[in-house]
Amino acid sequence: GQQLNQSPQSMFIQEGEDVSMNCTSSSIFNTWLWYKQDPGEGPVLLIALYKAGELTSNGRLTAQFGITRKDSFLNISASIPSDVGIYFCAGRPRGGKLIFGQGTELSVKP
Amino acid sequence: NAGVTQTPKFRVLKTGQSMTLLCAQDMNHEYMYWYRQDPGMGLRLIHYSVGEGTTAKGEVPDGYNVSRLKKQNFLLGLESAAPSQTSVYFCASRPLRTGELFFGEGSRLTVL
Repeated sequence: GQQLNQSPQSMFIQEGEDVSMNCTSSSIFNTWLWYKQDPGEGPVLLIALYKAGELTSNGRLTAQFGITRKDSFLNISASIPSDVGIYFCAGRPRGGKLIFGQGTELSVKP
Repeated sequence: NAGVTQTPKFRVLKTGQSMTLLCAQDMNHEYMYWYRQDPGMGLRLIHYSVGEGTTAKGEVPDGYNVSRLKKQNFLLGLESAAPSQTSVYFCASRPLRTGELFFGEGSRLTVL
């Protein structure tokens, strides 16, 4: 079946540092979504990508839909303590259901 | 702005008991989903619905049943709870034309 590998699994960074995480799939996807989950809450959509090569920003967050259509990355610039949480990528192949990555747990030290 | 609302938020069951989780969305979305989230496993799809009166199995459907009698509601039932069903359950919905899921806040279920 289709698999989604998200890395890294966890990150411990200093406030102000930039963060990068990525997801790779074994097959071509038509959609990439990035979500953030705060403790005790449901995932909240950060960025949606629908076209290969697409680069989209949302404040300090930037995500890209890889040219091969098999990967996506999320960057967070100048991290702040409220960036703490679990970040999930999710991808949908053509005609298929959304698949979630395992998540990247981000910790930010003030 | 209610969005997706799940009830109850917390529940403790004994093995063999039954219960129903209710999901309600006020966005007129066609699609609704039930996921479970376990440590290190990400989100796994239990069942989903593409419209009122229709349901389908997801990745991990065993031990669960669902019903979608009204467009705005999606119910997840456990007929005979097992400890392996201890998890956090998330409901989500999305409109027909986009891939963007909107999640509820989750329901934490413990089966003793």
